[in-house]
Amino acid sequence: QVQLVESGGGVVQPGRSLRLSCAVSGFTFNSYAMHWVRQAPGKGLEWAAVISQDGSMHYFADSVKGRFTISRDNSKNTLYLQLNSLRPDDTAVYYCARERISDYGMDVWGQGTTVIVSS
Amino acid sequence: ETVLTQSPGTLSLSPGERATLSCRASQSVNSSYLAWYQQKAGQAPRLVIYGASSRATGIPDRFSGSGSGTDFTLTISRLEPDDFAVYYCQQYGRSGFTFGPGTKVDTK
Repeated sequence: QVQLVESGGGVVQPGRSLRLSCAVSGFTFNSYAMHWVRQAPGKGLEWAAVISQDGSMHYFADSVKGRFTISRDNSKNTLYLQLNSLRPDDTAVYYCARERISDYGMDVWGQGTTVIVSS
Repeated sequence: ETVLTQSPGTLSLSPGERATLSCRASQSVNSSYLAWYQQKAGQAPRLVIYGASSRATGIPDRFSGSGSGTDFTLTISRLEPDDFAVYYCQQYGRSGFTFGPGTKVDTK
């Protein structure tokens, strides 16, 4: 069964850091690019970051560039998102998602992990 | 950055009616890289349409997508109770990935 399970969310003070994880099962992880997409409370979806199959390429939304890093461990079937210099407007549910091989659609999503940035 | 605009913001319809959702891009989008997602309250998004017009696995044929260039449409031919949700379009281009703000389809 194809599954993505996020973890690592929580309440954190502004300026602090957090690392999110996304454990993958049911498919060949190293064959797929992977994304993080976030959703602030009551708001729409916002794409945050993507990483290539082998981890050599990654791109970020302007809103998180320079503060967030994305990585993966293909031996552990796990995707990561390191969140640094957190701000209150980073408060959101963070989803990991698998990218379809041919067309950049996101066809498998995790259930999300919630990050709350508050003093 | 390619900005996606969705209209209407909210669509109030009854089961059995036809829903037509619009997604307009600020610059031309490769049709192969235009997708639609459905999201219900408290749930993760679900891919509905990829490549502008191809249904994702498990999506019923009452869902269809069309369009090219800067104008794309998601049509639900006859709304079922399970279809009431928020729908987002998403594109990939030179400036990266963007989502539209969403259209909420709710019950009249």
